Amino acid sequence: GDSVTQMEGPVTLSEEAFLTINCTYTATGYPSLFWYVQYPGEGLQLLLKATKADDKGSNKGFEATYRKETTSFHLEKGSVQVSDSAVYFCALSASNTGNQFYFGTGTSLTVIP
Amino acid sequence: GAGVSQSPSNKVTEKGKDVELRCDPISGHTALYWYRQSLGQGLEFLIYFQGNSAPDKSGLPSDRFSAERTGGSVSTLTIQRTQQEDSAVYLCASSLGTGEKETQYFGPGTRLLVL
Repeated sequence: GDSVTQMEGPVTLSEEAFLTINCTYTATGYPSLFWYVQYPGEGLQLLLKATKADDKGSNKGFEATYRKETTSFHLEKGSVQVSDSAVYFCALSASNTGNQFYFGTGTSLTVIP
Repeated sequence: GAGVSQSPSNKVTEKGKDVELRCDPISGHTALYWYRQSLGQGLEFLIYFQGNSAPDKSGLPSDRFSAERTGGSVSTLTIQRTQQEDSAVYLCASSLGTGEKETQYFGPGTRLLVL
């Protein structure tokens, strides 16, 4: 069945460091891919999404490119800030599975000054 | 409303009791989803509703779990005879439709603790 495998954390980085959080997926159809973020004490928020191969989603300095050939949707940011400390979830949604979302287990990121 | 709301925000109950969790989706959103987030785990899909169609209950972990959606809006997730392993954060999400491009908007969750 459809699934998402996400880089395990926790990840600790210094401010202004480069961030990559790996995400790969398995899907029988052509899913849409999402990154959600959960800041401490808050609910899940959409960070970015891509709906077809080679699309790049971007928001708040974060980027992820939908790579069909490697079934990946890695999250990157060139220079992280303390305020980026949160848990990041990769997810997919595919019409052949009723459009329910499949989430990865989440990656906790802590950015230290 | 401006976003998805859930109540209560926290619920402590004793093993064996029934609990009801409520979700108010964003106005106009026809799709509504329930997920469970256990400590150290990812999000586990439970059930979803789309308009007047029969709900997809494929993620419900046992027959102690049920959900309904009245009038195509508010939804209630009921857990009967709660067990300690039911302790988790229960998240509700809504979307404009169920197209695969549709973004799901999440509520703040209900944190359930079963003693």
